Amino acid sequence: AQRVTQPEKLLSVFKGAPVELKCNYSYSGSPELFWYVQYSRQRLQLLLRHISRESIKGFTADLNKGETSFHLKKPFAQEEDSAMYYCALHGGADGLTFGKGTHLIIQP
Amino acid sequence: KAGVTQTPRYLIKTRGQQVTLSCSPISGHRSVSWYQQTPGQGLQFLFEYFSETQRNKGNFPGRFSGRQFSNSRSEMNVSTLELGDSALYLCASSLPSGRARMQETQYFGPGTRLLVL
Repeated sequence: AQRVTQPEKLLSVFKGAPVELKCNYSYSGSPELFWYVQYSRQRLQLLLRHISRESIKGFTADLNKGETSFHLKKPFAQEEDSAMYYCALHGGADGLTFGKGTHLIIQP
Repeated sequence: KAGVTQTPRYLIKTRGQQVTLSCSPISGHRSVSWYQQTPGQGLQFLFEYFSETQRNKGNFPGRFSGRQFSNSRSEMNVSTLELGDSALYLCASSLPSGRARMQETQYFGPGTRLLVL
């Protein structure tokens, strides 16, 4: 069975500090990994996906198959980054498997 | 383009009743997925429909069912409601993938909040 673990329920950092949201997965094949974000009073939306290898809003994430991780990083946090972040895995027949989410709070 | 819409937005039912939730995908999107979100279990995949056929199904009991119409609109039904069915039900639509087994970006609706008393 595929599984996604986000070990931190809550992460609080100061504005301008680096941010790293951890995501570990369990899947026997080659997964597709995603980060979804939900800002306050907004819908869940895609932030980035590993196959695109792009930076969105300053965030990047690298798939590390050896460590089965897909951590989300940003070098300098901004207040508007405060949101719920969900790591998700697609392994084929089981749809998207989401982690339980990390609530990121950026303090001024 | 208009986003994914879900109706109703809020619903209160009692145990044993059944409920039908509706989802209208973004125009041109033919794949619709449903998720259940609860504080304890988080976001869990219910099922996915594509071209009126259920393509994938999550680990939920048979009380949870769905269907998709020719215009890609989808409904999900929960029969014999239990207290534990209280949740936010999210619908997401996506374009059909051009590659086998590849997940396209999912666009989520606002959800239907169901409370079972």
